[in-house]
Amino acid sequence: NAGVTQTPKFQVLKTGQSMTLQCAQDMNHEYMSWYRQDPGMGLRLIHYSVGAGITDQGEVPNGYNVSRSTTEDFPLRLLSAAPSQTSVYFCASRGGGVRLYEQYFGPGTRLTVT
Amino acid sequence: AQSVTQPDIHITVSEGASLELRCNYSYGATPYLFWYVQSPGQGLQLLLKYFSGDTLVQGIKGFEAEFKRSQSSFNLRKPSVHWSDAAEYFCAVGARTSYDKVIFGPGTSLSVIP
Repeated sequence: NAGVTQTPKFQVLKTGQSMTLQCAQDMNHEYMSWYRQDPGMGLRLIHYSVGAGITDQGEVPNGYNVSRSTTEDFPLRLLSAAPSQTSVYFCASRGGGVRLYEQYFGPGTRLTVT
Repeated sequence: AQSVTQPDIHITVSEGASLELRCNYSYGATPYLFWYVQSPGQGLQLLLKYFSGDTLVQGIKGFEAEFKRSQSSFNLRKPSVHWSDAAEYFCAVGARTSYDKVIFGPGTSLSVIP
């Protein structure tokens, strides 16, 4: 049981480039989320999904796209990278019922946009 | 909408001393409350959570937190800190009416002096 995995661990992009951050979980969780972490700002929700085929925007969705074709995978796409998107990105998943709020986090992807 | 503040950006304590990290939230009803810990270069790990019932909750690694409705606070405590507790600590609040909106505070960085 690997939990939540993210790839890559590190990435450097030039302004205007696009890329996809991968996230996968093997816990059969319905709910998955993407956060970005910036110094002094905690974690901010980018997008989330409540199940395959269902996604919605969080606090800071601009410049990012998501899709959820399977329960396991929840990729985050940067359409045209900007220096303001330099951050650490965390994917999280959680189950339902009484464990609805117990989020499991991946190890993060550190992205630098030059 | 809910919000979270953590008044202390950085705290330094001596090993063996007691610890209290402050968290205040803003929400119109009783929220779900969480404390997470993040070790350097790692994802976030859930320390403890409050949903309802007893306002003093116990978590992992010897931590506890107390929900005080009158003060809108959910402070994290540990009676004797170990060097391995040095990390970033995040308080988070979830709205009971919107299970996907878990908002994180900016974090408190804990340093432990041997």
